[in-house]
Amino acid sequence: GAVVSQHPSRVICKSGTSVKIECRSLDFQATTMFWYRQFPKQSLMLMATSNEGSKATYEQGVEKDKFLINHASLTLSTLTVTSAHPEDSSFYICSARKGQRNTEAFFGQGTRLTVV
Amino acid sequence: AQSVAQPEDQVNVAEGNPLTVKCTYSVSGNPYLFWYVQYPNRGLQFLLKYITGDNLVKGSYGFEAEFNKSQTSFHLKKPSALVSDSALYFCAVRSPLNRDDKIIFGKGTRLHILP
Repeated sequence: GAVVSQHPSRVICKSGTSVKIECRSLDFQATTMFWYRQFPKQSLMLMATSNEGSKATYEQGVEKDKFLINHASLTLSTLTVTSAHPEDSSFYICSARKGQRNTEAFFGQGTRLTVV
Repeated sequence: AQSVAQPEDQVNVAEGNPLTVKCTYSVSGNPYLFWYVQYPNRGLQFLLKYITGDNLVKGSYGFEAEFNKSQTSFHLKKPSALVSDSALYFCAVRSPLNRDDKIIFGKGTRLHILP
């Protein structure tokens, strides 16, 4: 398989501050990365699709100014939660795909964000 | 629009018994289908996929799934369950006809293997 590393695994921040989450494909180049949010006992909600070198495509209802996504290289995408509020507390997961659309995506370990 | 349904929130199976986790889908054209497993506070791990070819797909940890086009189903199965199989399982689908790259996940089924 392929390895996707997500960092940090847990973060606690104060309301109003910003938090950056990194997603790295360790042993392959990922032209496309995906960011998800998962609420307790619920499925994954796709937030945005990130393509290297271009702007991310956000899903309806996701604030692009609040959730900044950067995909600066073929192995790194970042999600920055700006001016975090307690309601942003959640489990955030990234995934990356190696190649064509019929290939599976590989997931990072997830980041548990708690805003206090 | 594409969608995935996992009709069971939870499935309980005694250790050593066969298990089935159900999944049905709705998508335009022939689907790409996936199963993932999630352990507490972790990301998703890929189990298996169906793209084309043999309807019975074998994957990791002894799991398999059968693609049934007429019933639009892709149920996950294992002949003999282990306690360590207890986790949250997600079925997912992508349509090759859609221009976007979205993979749609079901709501998940929690599998409890009872010792």
